[in-house]
Amino acid sequence: QVQLVQSGAEVKKPGASVKLSCRTSGFNFANYYMHWVRQAPGQGLEWLGLLNPSNGNTWFAQRFQGRVTMTSDTSTSTLYMELSGLRSEDTAVYYCARMERPGTFVHWGQGSLVTVSS
Amino acid sequence: EIVLTQSPGTLSLSPGDRATLSCRASQSISSSYLAWYQQKPGQAPRLLIQAASSRATGIPDRFSGSGSGTDFTLTISRLEPEDFAVYYCQHYGSSPPFYTFGPGTKVDIK
Repeated sequence: QVQLVQSGAEVKKPGASVKLSCRTSGFNFANYYMHWVRQAPGQGLEWLGLLNPSNGNTWFAQRFQGRVTMTSDTSTSTLYMELSGLRSEDTAVYYCARMERPGTFVHWGQGSLVTVSS
Repeated sequence: EIVLTQSPGTLSLSPGDRATLSCRASQSISSSYLAWYQQKPGQAPRLLIQAASSRATGIPDRFSGSGSGTDFTLTISRLEPEDFAVYYCQHYGSSPPFYTFGPGTKVDIK
């Protein structure tokens, strides 16, 4: 079955970077666009960006451009997301998700809590 | 950039009631790219409706979606105890790719 297993919780200081992973199984990783979505405590969902694992192409939400990097390792079917210049407002649960046509998300990771605090 | 607005912010209802949730887009969008999700505390969102009105796999038929243009609706015909949750609408734009979520409607027990 489709599984997306994310890395664990992180605590970072303001200005630092965080790199999260999302290990997938149960499907052909290269065939699906993979996304990152975050949710601040008590808040709604916010899309960060996507990666096409077949060629490494990425698209990011404008407000994260310059701060976010998304990569993948097709040999291990793992997706990565690095967010730099962390600030307290980046405290959130970060989800990876597999995109289905047309642009929806059925399969999600369990979420990785990132806490930014001095 | 398309902005999605959801109303009401909170809907207080009883089991067995009918729930009507609204999602309004800042400009006309294709209904093919409008989805609805349910989220319970501590869980990832669950896809309910895609393409505005098509139930996702395994979703009970008490959930239905409708709408076009700028106004979309999620209806839960008879609320079950497990339906009390937060509901988000989502739009997908393709050029360039962009995914927008509404702020959510919380359906809680009256």
